[in-house]
Amino acid sequence: DGGITQSPKYLFRKEGQNVTLSCEQNLNHDAMYWYRQDPGQGLRLIYYSQIVNDFQKGDIAEGYSVSREKKESFPLTVTSAQKNPTAFYLCASSLVGPRGNQPQHFGDGTRLSIL
Amino acid sequence: AQSVTQLDSHVSVSEGTPVLLRCNYSSSYSPSLFWYVQHPNKGLQLLLKYTSAATLVKGINGFEAEFKKSETSFHLTKPSAHMSDAAEYFCVVSENTGFQKLVFGTGTRLLVSP
Repeated sequence: DGGITQSPKYLFRKEGQNVTLSCEQNLNHDAMYWYRQDPGQGLRLIYYSQIVNDFQKGDIAEGYSVSREKKESFPLTVTSAQKNPTAFYLCASSLVGPRGNQPQHFGDGTRLSIL
Repeated sequence: AQSVTQLDSHVSVSEGTPVLLRCNYSSSYSPSLFWYVQHPNKGLQLLLKYTSAATLVKGINGFEAEFKKSETSFHLTKPSAHMSDAAEYFCVVSENTGFQKLVFGTGTRLLVSP
């Protein structure tokens, strides 16, 4: 079955540590996205990529970094510069349409906590 | 700038009664609108989408939504709630300007009692 796989499901970070969240898709989608979800809030866009080797900052990119070396993969690194990283992180992908009306498909998320 | 307002943070219904989740939007362009559902510790699943075709949109699991431009609303309804409908629901707007940037509402938690 096609879909998006995020790993790990739970992740713990120590002070001063960088951690990397994995996101893999086999839907043959060109676009991929990372969101952060906090309790009582909607999703906020961290980074997005519409094509391999290219990505753009979203609304809350500070303290995060990404790469897009393969169409199927879009890993997110939470750096030590992100002072409040505790959240639920969601990866998504979509086709790229001319009118921006393609629905996004989501993985099951990674919950990151501070030790 | 586009925005979405979900008018209720929580909605409680009894099993077998109708469901109404309210959403108002603001958009400078002709928008695409979506409803997603999220069960605990899971990702978001698409329920339905409006993309300027029919104003009454039917989705999965018996849900539907009606796009009302004059009221800038896109409310989600279901005739009869099931226990498995208990979840968080998000109304989402996307402007039809090329890149698909989604703007999410803050969510409505649906509680279904037996």
